[in-house]
Amino acid sequence: SQQGEEDPQALSIQEGENATMNCSYKTSINNLQWYRQNSGRGLVHLILIRSNEREKHSGRLRVTLDTSKKSSSLLITASRAADTASYFCATVGYGGSQGNLIFGKGTKLSVKP
Amino acid sequence: DTEVTQTPKHLVMGMTNKKSLKCEQHMGHRAMYWYKQKAKKPPELMFVYSYEKLSINESVPSRFSPECPNSSLLNLHLHALQPEDSALYLCASRVTSATDTQYFGPGTRLTVL
Repeated sequence: SQQGEEDPQALSIQEGENATMNCSYKTSINNLQWYRQNSGRGLVHLILIRSNEREKHSGRLRVTLDTSKKSSSLLITASRAADTASYFCATVGYGGSQGNLIFGKGTKLSVKP
Repeated sequence: DTEVTQTPKHLVMGMTNKKSLKCEQHMGHRAMYWYKQKAKKPPELMFVYSYEKLSINESVPSRFSPECPNSSLLNLHLHALQPEDSALYLCASRVTSATDTQYFGPGTRLTVL
């Protein structure tokens, strides 16, 4: 079952603009992750933010986490055409020690050159 | 080696065929996962293996049969599949306990005729 929602479902921007994607989840978490998936390919881990962190940066990525609202956002700054992909947030499911991930519905980002 | 490999990349099979998907990693990860992803949907967990033992089966039909012959290899045996089983099948691995980050293979695109 899906953990939550992501919005927007699709986002189209010009190269150089910033892209913001949001994710909501339902249960208590230890951490939240973001993954990228190029069309029809495997997922690539982008960043992990722990429940006691509010903000984390990695290169052009900035992730925030609000555990009181059970929500997270992913900001990609100065976007490039190569950032075109689907982005999923993920939390660990009920079998916590097994690390099984539950993914949000995803945001499909299109960056036009 | 930080790679998870999956073979074959593409597979077309009839409903009476028996085929197998293969996943391999040499990162020493002791947790391995099978996910199923339908078009425009997020990945959904099928099976979790921890230390070569099946630890989670998400009520997957018996026409899917997982196998973990050793710590580096994960197979998914397919028999009598239905057209609705057509999807991208993703394998992933994780270093147990240290992190929830998963490393994904590129997937096998399965078409059932």
